[in-house]
Amino acid sequence: AQKVTQAQTEISVVEKEDVTLDCVYETRDTTYYLFWYKQPPSGELVFLIRRNSFDEQNEISGRYSWNFQKSTSSFNFTITASQVVDSAVYFCALRRNFGNEKLTFGTGTRLTIIP
Amino acid sequence: NAGVTQTPKFQVLKTGQSMTLQCAQDMNHEYMSWYRQDPGMGLRLIHYSVGAGITDQGEVPNGYNVSRSTTEDFPLRLLSAAPSQTSVYFCASSQDISYEQYFGPGTRLTVT
Repeated sequence: AQKVTQAQTEISVVEKEDVTLDCVYETRDTTYYLFWYKQPPSGELVFLIRRNSFDEQNEISGRYSWNFQKSTSSFNFTITASQVVDSAVYFCALRRNFGNEKLTFGTGTRLTIIP
Repeated sequence: NAGVTQTPKFQVLKTGQSMTLQCAQDMNHEYMSWYRQDPGMGLRLIHYSVGAGITDQGEVPNGYNVSRSTTEDFPLRLLSAAPSQTSVYFCASSQDISYEQYFGPGTRLTVT
């Protein structure tokens, strides 16, 4: 069975600080996909990144970066120089590459950026 | 290109009432799903569809029905609403199993 754990329920940081959101996953599959979604206070779910299990390169997109480590089953998300607009709930998710295309979500991390 | 749309945005039902949550996408995506979001539980899959005429159950299907007569539409029916179905419901679609899902804006449902 698939499982995604986001152990940090809530994080608060002061604006301009860097912050890392942890995501640990469990799967028996060798091929799978990992995702991060952002849910701002307005409630919609915004896709941030997709990573397949064969690509362990870290990715950077502006102030956002992702560290995928298969050896530790982790896919962590770092925001550099945080801004108030980064305040949201962030979800990590895992999806199998075949069969039921279920997206297994973690329980989310609520990030609050303090001005 | 509207993406994924959902109606209504808010709904209040009495216990035992039935209703249909509408979901439509204009991206010609084959895969569509319904999730519910409850505090502290992330999102849980209710039903999903891999194409017109094909649906299957997710984690929490009891009390819900779906059908997929067209590629664009994927309505979710509550047969007899219960307070336990108070939740925020999200519809999502994706191009393929390996691609990201795009979510609708959600429907906040309260059952009294």
